[in-house]
Amino acid sequence: DAKTTQPNSMESNEEEPVHLPCNHSTISGTDYIHWYRQLPSQGPEYVIHGLTSNVNNRMASLAIAEDRKSSTLILHRATLRDAAVYYCILKNSGGSNYKLTFGKGTLLTVNP
Amino acid sequence: DAGITQSPRYKITETGRQVTLMCHQTWSHSYMFWYRQDLGHGLRLIYYSAAADITDKGEVPDGYVVSRSKTENFPLTLESATRSQTSVYFCASSDGTAGPYEQYFGPGTRLTVT
Repeated sequence: DAKTTQPNSMESNEEEPVHLPCNHSTISGTDYIHWYRQLPSQGPEYVIHGLTSNVNNRMASLAIAEDRKSSTLILHRATLRDAAVYYCILKNSGGSNYKLTFGKGTLLTVNP
Repeated sequence: DAGITQSPRYKITETGRQVTLMCHQTWSHSYMFWYRQDLGHGLRLIYYSAAADITDKGEVPDGYVVSRSKTENFPLTLESATRSQTSVYFCASSDGTAGPYEQYFGPGTRLTVT
């Protein structure tokens, strides 16, 4: 599996935007970029995914570099409920690739 | 309510005992997964299932048994629990595996083996 690199932790203030980076220099052309987050004492939760173009949904935006070697998850206005571990995961589009490989992720702290 | 549920949420058992963790989903997703989460290791895949009666090993299957007689249920059995199996166990389901399909996770079962 192609590897991702994320900062161990980041801090933000409430109601400010947060940019969570992810490097994936060995990404293949058929790898999707997925983001999940895990709130304290809960299971992981899907946030967003993309392939080449930037993506928006109700939770976040995903900005993908033109060479696809990095991406950024953007939370437009952080709330206290966004405090979680955020995982950037590459998932190949091949039908036999069933596995999500979770790294250590980025622990986001949101200050009131 | 629709979704994915796990039971029990907390379990304490003794070394050598058999214990079964239950997972139930109401979406009729074809794929189901069992992960364990330990400090320092992140989430690791134990077993997965592509459909009823089809199961396969993940990264860390030793000491675990699964079955899937119905699409909506995917129980995980520890045949003879060991202290190293103390962990938080997450079940997940997905409508597919190719590319963009996301996985939906249950709330987890915290298992302690004494």
